[in-house]
Amino acid sequence: DTGVSQDPRHKITKRGQNVTFRCDPISEHNRLYWYRQTLGQGPEFLTYFQNEAQLEKSRLLSDRFSAERPKGSFSTLEIQRTEQGDSAMYLCASRPGTAYEQYFGPGTRLTVT
Amino acid sequence: EDQVTQSPEALRLQEGESSSLNCSYTVSGLRGLFWYRQDPGKGPEFLFTLYSAGEEKEKERLKATLTKKESFLHITAPKPEDSATYLCAVQSNFNKFYFGSGTKLNVKP
Repeated sequence: DTGVSQDPRHKITKRGQNVTFRCDPISEHNRLYWYRQTLGQGPEFLTYFQNEAQLEKSRLLSDRFSAERPKGSFSTLEIQRTEQGDSAMYLCASRPGTAYEQYFGPGTRLTVT
Repeated sequence: EDQVTQSPEALRLQEGESSSLNCSYTVSGLRGLFWYRQDPGKGPEFLFTLYSAGEEKEKERLKATLTKKESFLHITAPKPEDSATYLCAVQSNFNKFYFGSGTKLNVKP
């Protein structure tokens, strides 16, 4: 399978715990995006990488959120001190530099209890 | 402010009953307009990209069109397997993607 993969697919955590999600983009795609999606809403942009450089960051991304893409390949999204309001689907997408359409992974469903 | 609005929020059709979904947008410098299909619990699946007013794209029973202020996704003779949420997104000059809230389509046999 050569699509975008995300791990884990589901995560249940207690409030106050830290969680980390991983995204592996399509191999030749140098652009990588993270989104958050809540029920009944479209995905909301969180952050954007071009290769290993984080070029855009949404105002929605509080200082409890951090993302990295250390070698320009896979990326991680960490949420520290989780809150119930963080419960959502976290989606990763990638695209090549030559086209604008993004291809999405299956998402990580986070539930904070 | 860049914004994408989709209507209706939900649409129920009988199998074979054609209809259209609307996506209106305001964006500073449109780089592209995108349609996605999303099934429950899954990531969005790419359908079409439209770049300029007047452009049309087709795939099976779906046809997407674009004007300067809106896009339509026409569904011809839908089948139950077309049931999903259809999302519209735009990319601005500033490398950001803005999604609408989607139209949830339910096609009854």
